[in-house]
Order: sequence, then structure tokens, then C-alpha cells
Amino acid sequence: EAQVTQNPRYLITVTGKKLTVTCSQNMNHEYMSWYRQDPGLGLRQIYYSMNVEVTDKGDVPEGYKVSRKEKRNFPLILESPSPNQTSLYFCASSHQTSGHPDGYNEQFFGPGTRLTVL
Amino acid sequence: QKEVEQNSGPLSVPEGAIASLNCTYSDRGSQSFFWYRQYSGKSPELIMFIYSNGDKEDGRFTAQLNKASQYVSLLIRDSQPSDSATYLCAVRRGGGYQKVTFGIGTKLQVIP
Repeated sequence: EAQVTQNPRYLITVTGKKLTVTCSQNMNHEYMSWYRQDPGLGLRQIYYSMNVEVTDKGDVPEGYKVSRKEKRNFPLILESPSPNQTSLYFCASSHQTSGHPDGYNEQFFGPGTRLTVL
Repeated sequence: QKEVEQNSGPLSVPEGAIASLNCTYSDRGSQSFFWYRQYSGKSPELIMFIYSNGDKEDGRFTAQLNKASQYVSLLIRDSQPSDSATYLCAVRRGGGYQKVTFGIGTKLQVIP
């Protein structure tokens, strides 16, 4: 089954304790992305990756790190979590677009990780 | 001004009616436009995408795009209670640019 998986699905932690949220896709997608979703703010992109070893900042990268050592995996790292990083996090993946408007390929989202930082 | 603006709702419509969801965007370089549906506690799923001015129909859903007015909408005909969800408008620039910007979403409630 084609899917994007995230782990853990739920996490409660304390300020300053490093954590990693894993994301894996089995569709051989080039493009992967992390979003956070907050009430009233919608989905905001944290980081994205065009391919292995190619990553770039999204709209809200502060306090987060990512790596893309393998095509299928795109972990999100919070080195020193703070309460303002309490949020619902989604990983997404898609094939690379061709550059033509109709070359867009659907983004597939993972099930989400609900993070609470106390 | 937000890049992608939506009314957060809730928008309430009776079962069987047409639901009209609206979205405006600020970047005139935007070329691709998407509507995602998100049920409470679930991840977003793509309903439709559109990139040419005019209408695009898929079953009960019609996406409408007006680039001159920087406006995109989603019509849902014969609304069903199962359509009750939050609808996210998303926009992407062209030229291979990958970044997709989402609106805050409009919550739709279909009343039986």
C-alpha cells in the first residue's frame, strides 16, 4: 500500500529535551515536506526537500532541523523543543513536478503527529 | 496581506444545497491551485487542482479560477453530511517551483 508514515503519532515531552519525528514514504517520491498546523494559522511549511541531500527552509524553520540521507526518509528534529512548538505536524511527499502547471503531482500526507511540549 | 486568504467559517448549508467556498491569493506568479479536504483529526487529501482560467468539474465538485481577480473557488453540488470538513485552498507558483502555500481553511457544515 502506497503511504506516508509518521512516528510517533502522539508525543508529550518537556522543554529542552531533543526529539525526532520520523517520516517515511514508499512511493519513491523525490519531494518531501514538513508542515505544522495550528488553529487560525493553517498549514505552514517548515522545511522541504527536493531530493536526497537537498533541503531548504520553508516559512517557519526556526527551531527545527531536517536531513535527507535516503530518498524514503525525512526526519524532523527538534534540538531543544519549546512550548510554542506544540502543534500538529504533517509530513508530505510527491513526485517532482515537470515545471509545467499541469505537471503537478499530488502531495500525499502522513497521518500527523500531535506534539505537546510542556 | 496573507498570501492565501480564506474565510474560516463555519459555512453552514442544508443537505442537497450548493456549497460555495472561496479563496483569494496575492502572488500574481501563482499558476497552480488546489483544494484539499481535511476531516477533523485527519490529514488533508486532494480533491481538485486547476491551473487554467474557467471551470473544472469532477463529479459533484467544480473548481473555478479567475487569475485576473486572483480568485479561486470550489462549488460542491448536492452537499451531503459526509462533505462536512475543513476545505483548504493551496497555491503554487509555476516554473517548477515546489513550494505550496495553504490558506487557513474553511469549515463546512452540511446540515441534514
